[in-house]
Amino acid sequence: EAGVAQSPRYKIIEKRQSVAFWCNPISGHATLYWYQQILGQGPKLLIQFQNNGVVDDSQLPKDRFSAERLKGVDSTLKIQPAKLEDSAVYLCASSLDSGTGELFFGEGSRLTVL
Amino acid sequence: GQQLNQSPQSMFIQEGEDVSMNCTSSSIFNTWLWYKQDPGEGPVLLIALYKAGELTSNGRLTAQFGITRKDSFLNISASIPSDVGIYFCAGTTSGTYKYIFGTGTRLKVLA
Repeated sequence: EAGVAQSPRYKIIEKRQSVAFWCNPISGHATLYWYQQILGQGPKLLIQFQNNGVVDDSQLPKDRFSAERLKGVDSTLKIQPAKLEDSAVYLCASSLDSGTGELFFGEGSRLTVL
Repeated sequence: GQQLNQSPQSMFIQEGEDVSMNCTSSSIFNTWLWYKQDPGEGPVLLIALYKAGELTSNGRLTAQFGITRKDSFLNISASIPSDVGIYFCAGTTSGTYKYIFGTGTRLKVLA
């Protein structure tokens, strides 16, 4: 079974530029998450989708971050304009929602903002 | 945002030793997950716990769901060099699977 796929693995941009990250969850997984992991910290939830609807986006800085999951499968996270403090690893995870709630993560997309 | 407290923050141990770490929350959780993260990789799920008092093993790893439902423990027996990494706990209080992650325990194994 293929795991959670993310791209790009690495991205370096200047502040005020924009960037987009893509995630394809494990086939059949209804719930998709985007987490931000700053160096030395645990992952912090940005947004959670159930199929193509948003369950929780309370921690998403909506003035600059946006995310969509239009067809209930893959998802895109966008940052525009980027700030220095957005430098982090952006992790995508998915879960089946069979009642177990186990989250499976992709390898992450590392963003460096200069 | 809220994060769970993990202890210890880091530990150096000799190969072959047993390791214990814990995770505490101010809230009652109904699911605990334990992950290991290697440098440059995403977290990998080790063990999932669903009931207070539950004890679950995965090879040399054993995790327990605290009976107060506010803590969880992970033990690694007979550590080996590949156990090096950061161990994260995650918990959720609701059926929406909104997980909060711990601050991590960084494990280093000396051969």
